[in-house]
Amino acid sequence: QVQLVESGGGVVQPGRSLRLSCAASGFSFSSHGMHWVRQAPGKGLEWVAVMWFDGSNEYYADSVKGRFTISRDNSKNTLYLQMISLRVEDTAVYYCARDGGASVGATKVFDFWGQGTMVTVSS
Amino acid sequence: DIVMTQSPDSLAVSLGERATINCKSSQTVLYSSENKNYLAWYQQKPGQPPKLLIYWASTRGSGVPDRFSGSGSGTDFTLTISSLQAEDVAVYYCQQYYKTPTFGQGTKVEIK
Repeated sequence: QVQLVESGGGVVQPGRSLRLSCAASGFSFSSHGMHWVRQAPGKGLEWVAVMWFDGSNEYYADSVKGRFTISRDNSKNTLYLQMISLRVEDTAVYYCARDGGASVGATKVFDFWGQGTMVTVSS
Repeated sequence: DIVMTQSPDSLAVSLGERATINCKSSQTVLYSSENKNYLAWYQQKPGQPPKLLIYWASTRGSGVPDRFSGSGSGTDFTLTISSLQAEDVAVYYCQQYYKTPTFGQGTKVEIK
């Protein structure tokens, strides 16, 4: 069965960096685009970034552009999110989510989600 | 960005009764050449990640019970739970994928 397991969250001061990981199993990781979606405490969902199945394209929400970098290692079935210059407003649970399309760019439908990892940015 | 607005923010429905959630987009999410609406619905139970319920506005996801249905086109969409069960207590989100993905603010469904 599809499994997505995020890790790397924690408490960090404003301006510092953090790298999240998402280990995937149970499906052909290299065939699917992968996303990061976040949810601030008690709030709704916000899409953060996507990387295409083959790593050829990546796109970001305006709120994180220039500060966050999505990447993937298809040999390790792992998705990453490098976050720099963190702000208090980046505090959220970060989910990795599989794109519903296979071997296409990105449908932007999120058909499987991990349990999430909490990132708290606070001084 | 396309703004998604859901109504109501919350609703309480008796077990076995119908629950209806509305979602309106600030611009059309209908891709005319495909005749497809780029609209999905998700269910998020407390302490859990979201789960895909509906995509293409009306296609149920894998394993989703048939009491869940989606309808609408263009800018106005509806998620209907035909007979509310206790396990349906959750927050429901609509999401457009016509452009950069955006979500509605969520609708909390409770038992009356």
